[in-house]
Amino acid sequence: EDQVTQSPEALRLQEGESSSLNCSYTVSGLRGLFWYRQDPGKGPEFLFTLYSAGEEKEKERLKATLTKKESFLHITAPKPEDSATYLCAVQAEDNYGQNFVFGPGTRLSVLP
Amino acid sequence: NAGVMQNPRHLVRRRGQEARLRCSPMKGHSHVYWYRQLPEEGLKFMVYLQKENIIDESGMPKERFSAEFPKEGPSILRIQQVVRGDSAAYFCASSPMGGGQPQHFGDGTRLSIL
Repeated sequence: EDQVTQSPEALRLQEGESSSLNCSYTVSGLRGLFWYRQDPGKGPEFLFTLYSAGEEKEKERLKATLTKKESFLHITAPKPEDSATYLCAVQAEDNYGQNFVFGPGTRLSVLP
Repeated sequence: NAGVMQNPRHLVRRRGQEARLRCSPMKGHSHVYWYRQLPEEGLKFMVYLQKENIIDESGMPKERFSAEFPKEGPSILRIQQVVRGDSAAYFCASSPMGGGQPQHFGDGTRLSIL
C-alpha cells in the first residue's frame, strides 16, 4: 500500500530562519511526487512536481529535492506570508486511478 | 477565473437529507478527482472521473455516495441520507491529462450535518 509521512507535524520559525520539511514515501513505483501549499479555508495550491531521484525544483524561497525514499522542501529566509500547511503527495506508476496519496502535512508558522 | 470552481462553498444539511456538491474543472481539463478532508486528517481520494465515465471509485463508500461527470455541465458528488460522520471538506481537482500531471484544486465545499 502506498504511504506518505511528513515531518515535523508543525514547525515554528522566526522570519529569516531557514529550515527543511521532510516527506517520506513508500510506493511500488513512483510516477510523480507533488508539493502543495494549503492556506486555512482554501484548497491546496500546486507548488512542484518531481519525477526522479536527484531532481530539484526551485521557486522563490522554496526548493524541492527528491531521493528514492524521501523529498525535502527547503525554505530559505522565510517570511510570515510563507505560513501555511505544506502537503506532499505521490502518484504511483501502477495506479490506474491516477489518484494522489497525500501525507498529513506540515503546519509552518513564520513569526515576524 | 480559470481555476477549478466548486459550489456551494458551505452547505448545511440535516441528518437524512441529500447533499449535492458541484465542481467545474479548469478550462481544457477533462479529468476530475474528488477528495475528502476530515478535521486534523489528510486528503483522502474518493473518485476519479472523465467525461461520462467513472474511472476509479475505490475511495468512495459503497452506499449513499455517487458521482458523475456528464458530457455537459459540472461534475456532481451526491451524498444521500447524510449522517454526522459525513461532515468534512470536500475538494475537487482537475488535470488536463492523467499520469504524472499535477492536479489543480478548488477551494472546497464545507459540509456540515446538523
